[in-house]
Amino acid sequence: DAGITQSPRHKVTETGTPVTLRCHQTENHRYMYWYRQDPGHGLRLIHYSYGVKDTDKGEVSDGYSVSRSKTEDFLLTLESATSSQTSVYFCAISAGLAGLNEQFFGPGTRLTVL
Amino acid sequence: ILNVEQSPQSLHVQEGDSTNFTCSFPSSNFYALHWYRWETAKSPEALFVMTLNGDEKKKGRISATLNTKEGYSYLYIKGSQPEDSATYLCASITGGGNKLTFGTGTQLKVEL
Repeated sequence: DAGITQSPRHKVTETGTPVTLRCHQTENHRYMYWYRQDPGHGLRLIHYSYGVKDTDKGEVSDGYSVSRSKTEDFLLTLESATSSQTSVYFCAISAGLAGLNEQFFGPGTRLTVL
Repeated sequence: ILNVEQSPQSLHVQEGDSTNFTCSFPSSNFYALHWYRWETAKSPEALFVMTLNGDEKKKGRISATLNTKEGYSYLYIKGSQPEDSATYLCASITGGGNKLTFGTGTQLKVEL
């Protein structure tokens, strides 16, 4: 299994509070991704990173920010959580461009915003 | 086709049956097509990454074909087993970018 961990695995928070989710990899892969998974929508890309300090927006980036200060860590921050951000969040990594390389997914973080 | 669409949404088959699912994707500026297998309570796992029109890939009893001109891919499972029960996702990339667009998946249940 690819060395990807996510923390926390479960979190319950209240509307308006900041939340940071962490993705950690031991594979030294260049590309890292954050997805959210909701019923009826499948996996949707929030942000991705193509290197340290290099990030780009995905399909559903509003309300989220990311940071990558080290190759191994990719942080997803909800500055002020809303109930619509209740979801399961998956981190993924790939060795190269997504077009040519499979993605390896972390175990997921279940976030509930009350 | 503007989005990635998968059909059927769900499928129940008997052990030993062969089955197939369809993934439709935008054919304009096609770059790559991915298939993933997602078991309940686990994370998605890659099956295939396909880029060339006419490409065929195989992994054990699972195979996939790709038609980039008409924008579809088929995933086949030969002799389904209960352990094949999972949701099968496809995802496409257009325009050489780095962003996968996923379909909502086909949920397969193989019964004894």
